Amino acid sequence: DTAVSQTPKYLVTQMGNDKSIKCEQNLGHDTMYWYKQDSKKFLKIMFSYNNKELIINETVPNRFSPKSPDKAHLNLHINSLELGDSAVYFCASSQVSLGADYGYTFGSGTRLTVV
Amino acid sequence: EDKVVQSPLSLVVHEGDTVTLNCSYEVTNFRSLLWYKQEKKAPTFLFMLTSSGIEKKSGRLSSILDKKELSSILNITATQTGDSAIYLCAALDDKIIFGKGTRLHILP
Repeated sequence: DTAVSQTPKYLVTQMGNDKSIKCEQNLGHDTMYWYKQDSKKFLKIMFSYNNKELIINETVPNRFSPKSPDKAHLNLHINSLELGDSAVYFCASSQVSLGADYGYTFGSGTRLTVV
Repeated sequence: EDKVVQSPLSLVVHEGDTVTLNCSYEVTNFRSLLWYKQEKKAPTFLFMLTSSGIEKKSGRLSSILDKKELSSILNITATQTGDSAIYLCAALDDKIIFGKGTRLHILP
């Protein structure tokens, strides 16, 4: 009954490779997000999708591309991986329209290590 | 530039003590303030504050928002070692802006 699930949990890959991280939520939320958490635990938003439509696209390299096949899924594709991409990536979801007191629900994170 | 500032950055207290964590924000179209607890995995939602002056409580944790001062506090009473974590504050407008967190360590 996991609310927001990300796969894989751990990803170790070489520089230059292309990889994807998948995210799915079963909460019926209409908005999904990708965050990058750096080594100092600072969370920075990367992308936000509302009902499959991109609404937030912070300044991230073009090598990062989100894809939302439906409102329950938001996948993150990363091309030509670089050492600096090593971080923990969190997926999250929320129900923006209702403004209910549910806050954001986060996935458990994907620890990406680029070697 | 939108920002959220938390203080202190780290705090070490003994079990049973009461702690107060601070969060101040500057965002353009403020809607709500969120508090999270992060241990080893993903941040866990604690509170969402939208109205000023209304305290929200959950067990030993409580939080309140002051829109006039653009700030919020998170109180933890009778702390336990299980409260050791990073506490994140975030402001919500059309996106979410996180502070850098307060690293709380409770000594037995």
